[in-house]
Amino acid sequence: KNQVEQSPQSLIILEGKNCTLQCNYTVSPFSNLRWYKQDTGRGPVSLTIMTFSENTKSNGRYTATLDADTKQSSLHITASQLSDSASYICVVSDRGSTLGRLYFGRGTQLTVWP
Amino acid sequence: EADIYQTPRYLVIGTGKKITLECSQTMGHDKMYWYQQDPGMELHLIHYSYGVNSTEKGDLSSESTVSRIRTEHFPLTLESARPSHTSQYLCASSGGDSTYEQYFGPGTRLTVT
Repeated sequence: KNQVEQSPQSLIILEGKNCTLQCNYTVSPFSNLRWYKQDTGRGPVSLTIMTFSENTKSNGRYTATLDADTKQSSLHITASQLSDSASYICVVSDRGSTLGRLYFGRGTQLTVWP
Repeated sequence: EADIYQTPRYLVIGTGKKITLECSQTMGHDKMYWYQQDPGMELHLIHYSYGVNSTEKGDLSSESTVSRIRTEHFPLTLESARPSHTSQYLCASSGGDSTYEQYFGPGTRLTVT
């Protein structure tokens, strides 16, 4: 069964600190993995996308890693800001259809305190 | 920011009413999707479309229906709303590139009383 599991479920950090969010998946055949940021009451917005051959991708203060062998990914946020408070969702796409089916994790709810 | 729009953003409606959630995109994308999301839970695909006159049911069973008469427009209709339909509904579109990147609208928060 294709699944995406994220940890922790929620996280509270102080402004300026770093944090790392984890994602494990069982989706096969694997196409790509993305991290989305979803603000409360908004739609998800893509942060990074990685294919099988990529093991790291950065977008400003966000750095994602991918280990396709162990089927694990992480999202590292550096020097957190209050605006980083949001849900971070790991999403994996399979190669099994032309639809580009996406499998979503439940997200990690990050809260940044001043 | 992606050019995909949803209206209304918030809707509170009584049981038994018919509602239509609007979704439109200006990117010329062929593929469009409707997802349902409850608080703290993952997104579930309820409908999708490969293009004009194409509609398919997703993974999560839904009493809603969709139509795709124009490329840019993908409305979702509930003939008779019930409290169990209370949720957030997200629309997305994809241009079908190799990464299958999906662009999401802001969502409609539906509350059925």
